[in-house]
Amino acid sequence: QKEVEQNSGPLSVPEGAIASLNCTYSDRGSQSFFWYRQYSGKSPELIMSIYSNGDKEDGRFTAQLNKASQYVSLLIRDSQPSDSATYLCAAFLYNNNDMRFGAGTRLTVKP
Amino acid sequence: EPEVTQTPSHQVTQMGQEVILRCVPISNHLYFYWYRQILGQKVEFLVSFYNNEISEKSEIFDDQFSVERPDGSNFTLKIRSTKLEDSAMYFCASSGQGASYGYTFGSGTRLTVV
Repeated sequence: QKEVEQNSGPLSVPEGAIASLNCTYSDRGSQSFFWYRQYSGKSPELIMSIYSNGDKEDGRFTAQLNKASQYVSLLIRDSQPSDSATYLCAAFLYNNNDMRFGAGTRLTVKP
Repeated sequence: EPEVTQTPSHQVTQMGQEVILRCVPISNHLYFYWYRQILGQKVEFLVSFYNNEISEKSEIFDDQFSVERPDGSNFTLKIRSTKLEDSAMYFCASSGQGASYGYTFGSGTRLTVV
């Protein structure tokens, strides 16, 4: 079973729309979850972290966590062409004591 | 804003040669990590390092790989007898409080084995 799973996409949304990115994880003991943005050829950049069930908002980004369903999501409101990137979901796996990444969802925001 | 610095940005090496990838973590961070990303694939965990020793390593991190903190600032990844399939981006990361709090990545070293 894959530790962190994401829909690889590509996901395409028009400028100004809401982009919704989803992720599931296998280790029920995981406590910390992260969304990273990765532009082509660049390193991952942390954009959101979430530790508790519910929603966490930061500007145009909202992370949602449901530990019972082992599900994490990221919503990007008012999507901009500059948001076009691959979004990586990551979970701190309690059993491994390290962070593991999903394969990433490629998002394209069309002007 | 503090940065994790990696050198070189691009390394080309012949198959069978040894390479050393270098990283300077954020100065007050205590936890260090190496990840790799083969082109078009996901970011894969290699090894974590704390208190001058390896704390966790993945199945990828076999005897071909080693890490070292030769001084108070540098953190290195050595790959012995490189193979074509070692070609990838190698990312160093550091954290002040451990992986459960997230960490900062360096800009990466692109390793090309020919």
